[in-house]
Amino acid sequence: DAKTTQPNSMESNEEEPVHLPCNHSTISGTDYIHWYRQLPSQGPEYVIHGLTSNVNNRMASLAIAEDRKSSTLILHRATLRDAAVYYCILSVKAAGNKLTFGGGTRVLVKP
Amino acid sequence: EAGVAQSPRYKIIEKRQSVAFWCNPISGHATLYWYQQILGQGPKLLIQFQNNGVVDDSQLPKDRFSAERLKGVDSTLKIQPAKLEDSAVYLCASSSSVRGTGVYTFGSGTRLTVV
Repeated sequence: DAKTTQPNSMESNEEEPVHLPCNHSTISGTDYIHWYRQLPSQGPEYVIHGLTSNVNNRMASLAIAEDRKSSTLILHRATLRDAAVYYCILSVKAAGNKLTFGGGTRVLVKP
Repeated sequence: EAGVAQSPRYKIIEKRQSVAFWCNPISGHATLYWYQQILGQGPKLLIQFQNNGVVDDSQLPKDRFSAERLKGVDSTLKIQPAKLEDSAVYLCASSSSVRGTGVYTFGSGTRLTVV
């Protein structure tokens, strides 16, 4: 399985931006980068995904390095509701685009 | 759009008993997944269905776990007999994309406690 590396945890202050890094040095040209988050006692929730270009949606922005070996999820203004575990996942075309979850980054938002 | 429905929400059983979980995916989603999430870990894929056929069950402990997706819609996951280490949250997800980059929608899961 294509592997991603994320910090175990991060802290942020409310209303400040949060930058969540992810390394995926073994990514291949057809692998998409996905981000999901999991709030307490809920199933994972889709956040954003991309291939090569940076992506924006109502929840977050995804910045992808030019060599695609790393990416950063950006939450522009963290709220207390953004406290969750954030998973960076590669969907590997050769493996049928299944999502294989790692340990994720636990984000704590302080008021 | 209705989400992925799972039931029951919680289940407590004794070891060696059997248990079944039910999942109703989003209407029209051809692909259905069952994941197992042990406390403190990320979800682990158990089985993937494409319509009513199994695409990948390589991580499913087939001596005790079974799953089916009759008529390509609802799915059930069964454990028989349960072991203590099966205590986990069982998550169902569905996707509309066959082999593309489809977004997964997850249910809230069934929390199983085996005592």
